[in-house]
Amino acid sequence: SQTIHQWPATLVQPVGSPLSLECTVEGTSNPNLYWYRQAAGRGLQLLFYSVGIGQISSEVPQNLSASRPQDRQFILSSKKLLLSDSGFYLCAWSISGSSYNEQFFGPGTRLTVL
Amino acid sequence: GQQVMQIPQYQHVQEGEDFTTYCNSSTTLSNIQWYKQRPGGHPVFLIQLVKSGEVKKQKRLTFQFGEAKKNSSLHITATQTTDVGTYFCAGPGYAGGTSYGKLTFGQGTILTVHP
Repeated sequence: SQTIHQWPATLVQPVGSPLSLECTVEGTSNPNLYWYRQAAGRGLQLLFYSVGIGQISSEVPQNLSASRPQDRQFILSSKKLLLSDSGFYLCAWSISGSSYNEQFFGPGTRLTVL
Repeated sequence: GQQVMQIPQYQHVQEGEDFTTYCNSSTTLSNIQWYKQRPGGHPVFLIQLVKSGEVKKQKRLTFQFGEAKKNSSLHITATQTTDVGTYFCAGPGYAGGTSYGKLTFGQGTILTVHP
């Protein structure tokens, strides 16, 4: 069966510090991968998606970047965090090749920037 | 781009009452998905609707897809405290061409159930 891992679960970082959040998927190959951010009590904002190694598409201009160094590894980074980067970051995967497949979400990382 | 609007934003019910959340798209959808997010948790896929006018049931949950495939609803009969959470609808995240599996999520309806 497939599983998706995210770490860390929670993170408190000062403004201006770097960020690296990691997501890995097990039990599937060549998945589509997604990074979302969710502000408290709000909806899901798609930040990045990837259809393959090294292929990253950004949905919104921002202070963040993403990389996919391996087939089942997706990393969200920032060189200098802003207060507005606080939120709940969710990684998700779906089977590639169709828009009819559901997305499976990881447990998320709660980021607080102080 | 495609937009998916969801109402209401909040719904407070007494245990045993019914609950409905509505989802409307600015464009025709090839399919619509529903997710539930428990407080403090992550979204979990509930169901996908594909056909015009489709109705699917999961125990006390009834999902409908409109005839024009531009709206959908989720109805919960006789809510229980375990139904608490945020319910999201999501449509394909593109206005044309391939979506690469992207989804456009509605803003969600936060359901609270008072025992």
